[in-house]
Amino acid sequence: QSALTQPASVSGSPGQSITISCTGTSSDVGNYNSVSWYQQYPGKAPKLLIYEVSNRPSGVSSRFSGSKSGNTASLTISGLQAEDEANYYCSSYRNSDTLVFGGGTKLTVL
Amino acid sequence: EVQLVESGGGLVKPGGSLRLSCAASGFVFSTTSMSWVRQAPGKGLEWVSSISNYRSIYADSLKGRFSVSRDTAKSSLYLQMDSLRAEDTAVYYCATDNSGWSRNNWGQGTLVIVSS
Repeated sequence: QSALTQPASVSGSPGQSITISCTGTSSDVGNYNSVSWYQQYPGKAPKLLIYEVSNRPSGVSSRFSGSKSGNTASLTISGLQAEDEANYYCSSYRNSDTLVFGGGTKLTVL
Repeated sequence: EVQLVESGGGLVKPGGSLRLSCAASGFVFSTTSMSWVRQAPGKGLEWVSSISNYRSIYADSLKGRFSVSRDTAKSSLYLQMDSLRAEDTAVYYCATDNSGWSRNNWGQGTLVIVSS
């Protein structure tokens, strides 16, 4: 099963906004609102940032927001901070009870 | 506070078996669906399996080799892994299932190394 497509890396300066894309197909991202985003620091477990495309769990900063258009979902981080430097993964439900992840994006804060 | 503690990882030879455990606390385990997600060294996340009270589902590539189960009385989740291959080498995380197929609580992971 092929993963969702994410850029390998993105970068931004403190205070800026960045967007990470997650491209799938009509079998997953395009047809279901079950897109999630995770933040992971090296050697640590993932942390849920966004679920159901644009919902934030309690305790997650409002600087993180999610959206979707067609087969592509996006995670936007506004007011970039040094602590945001991490790896980010998207996931989506796919036809026939499968969960698929993106390949991950390394965010560098310049 | 939700706690998920995985155990059972280690070094195993190709073709061998291993059983991972995940001890859960801080939430109602009996009504919560659970999942296993793995991450090969330096690679991305890969969904392995999920289990609710009425069914178990698996990634297509793992069907037949891995088996998930749960013991509600012990608030524990298990993953039986058979016919292990080098490509199964990874950190295995257990996680609680949330709305929209998201995973909202994660353990610290247990490392499985398949090597001769």
